[in-house]
Amino acid sequence: TQLLEQSPQFLSIQEGENLTVYCNSSSVFSSLQWYRQEPGEGPVLLVTVVTGGEVKKLKRLTFQFGDARKDSSLHITAAQPGDTGLYLCAGGYKLSFGAGTTVTVRA
Amino acid sequence: GAVVSQHPSRVICKSGTSVKIECRSLDFQATTMFWYRQFPKQSLMLMATSNEGSKATYEQGVEKDKFLINHASLTLSTLTVTSAHPEDSSFYICSAYRDREYEQYFGPGTRLTVT
Repeated sequence: TQLLEQSPQFLSIQEGENLTVYCNSSSVFSSLQWYRQEPGEGPVLLVTVVTGGEVKKLKRLTFQFGDARKDSSLHITAAQPGDTGLYLCAGGYKLSFGAGTTVTVRA
Repeated sequence: GAVVSQHPSRVICKSGTSVKIECRSLDFQATTMFWYRQFPKQSLMLMATSNEGSKATYEQGVEKDKFLINHASLTLSTLTVTSAHPEDSSFYICSAYRDREYEQYFGPGTRLTVT
């Protein structure tokens, strides 16, 4: 089983601030996915990173895949209350999920 | 798009009864689907892999006789919770791989409450 560790577990920030969520593993992944989940709903795919060192941007969200393909990060610039949710990283064919990071953006 | 639906979205049943949850890929074929369970404020835990036309493979600690999985077509997988008990109450989520891609698409989840 390939394990993914996410940090921090909880993050509460003020609107307009920046935040970064980390996803780390001792295993190499061919790809990593980032999902966002709201209460009572299924996870929604945000991005897939495939190439080591890859950086992908999705509006105010920036995703990075480590050179060794063992870690990834999600950076949100100028967070808004709509960014509130549970952020999950996952990898592998049978997705292994990190524990998740609960992000709360206060207005 | 890649849309996965689940039915029902919420179900309440009495202890000892069985409940069937459906997972459908609406606009693509899915040879493989997955069933997850999620407890409040926790991440998703993989229960089993559902393969079209063959037996499901279960993760360690998941009772296959309690959680029956059938993947009868390329767009439908079902999870039946047999003889449900209150401890089976949880949020059940399915996902599907769109063939030739390495991204899973998730259903909206089913909230099961066993009284």
